[in-house]
Amino acid sequence: DQQVKQNSPSLSVQEGRISILNCDYTNSMFDYFLWYKKYPAEGPTFLISISSIKDKNEDGRFTVFLNKSAKHLSLHIVPSQPGDSAVYFCAASYTGTASKLTFGTGTRLQVTL
Amino acid sequence: DTGVSQNPRHKITKRGQNVTFRCDPISEHNRLYWYRQTLGQGPEFLTYFQNEAQLEKSRLLSDRFSAERPKGSFSTLEIQRTEQGDSAMYLCASSLEKSFPTLDSNSSYGYTFGSGTRLTVV
Repeated sequence: DQQVKQNSPSLSVQEGRISILNCDYTNSMFDYFLWYKKYPAEGPTFLISISSIKDKNEDGRFTVFLNKSAKHLSLHIVPSQPGDSAVYFCAASYTGTASKLTFGTGTRLQVTL
Repeated sequence: DTGVSQNPRHKITKRGQNVTFRCDPISEHNRLYWYRQTLGQGPEFLTYFQNEAQLEKSRLLSDRFSAERPKGSFSTLEIQRTEQGDSAMYLCASSLEKSFPTLDSNSSYGYTFGSGTRLTVV
């Protein structure tokens, strides 16, 4: 039962353009969402998060949008840079317990020159 | 502070052997988590500790798996009688208990992952 889904296994974007990574979830109890970035042979690194009472959170080049009614979130990276090439994981949790993250399967982003 | 440290980085073992991995969390973090990541999947939660107490275990953690955090500092994850299906990246993470945000805050999770231990069972 995949409660967090990332349906695009890969994405290729030109440097300077916008990257949009998508994530869907099925469990309506989730109220906190995160994006992690992972380089090969390293652990995931926290990127940005959003709680369910917000619909947008920005941090520099990164913006996360949340559509609760559609159970959908997206990560926008603009402008995309070659160093952004990595695997991006969407994750969800409950703020009440806040102990366990449920991850999606990841999207591999390739930013080309 | 060198972050979350995991040893070994790689482990190759024969089926049926026992293996043990170690995780050293960030020193002031009282929560420690274990996750497993298989090829093409995201990390899956296995278990977590608050100080030395193991507070939650996933159904993924079969009776061949045991985790300990005896003094509330480092943790070990042991797999007995390894099977080929145990081949995966085992990730450890740590955080402060009070680092998790409320819904109306802008703060973020203080979850820091280690680089993982890659286990190959042959």
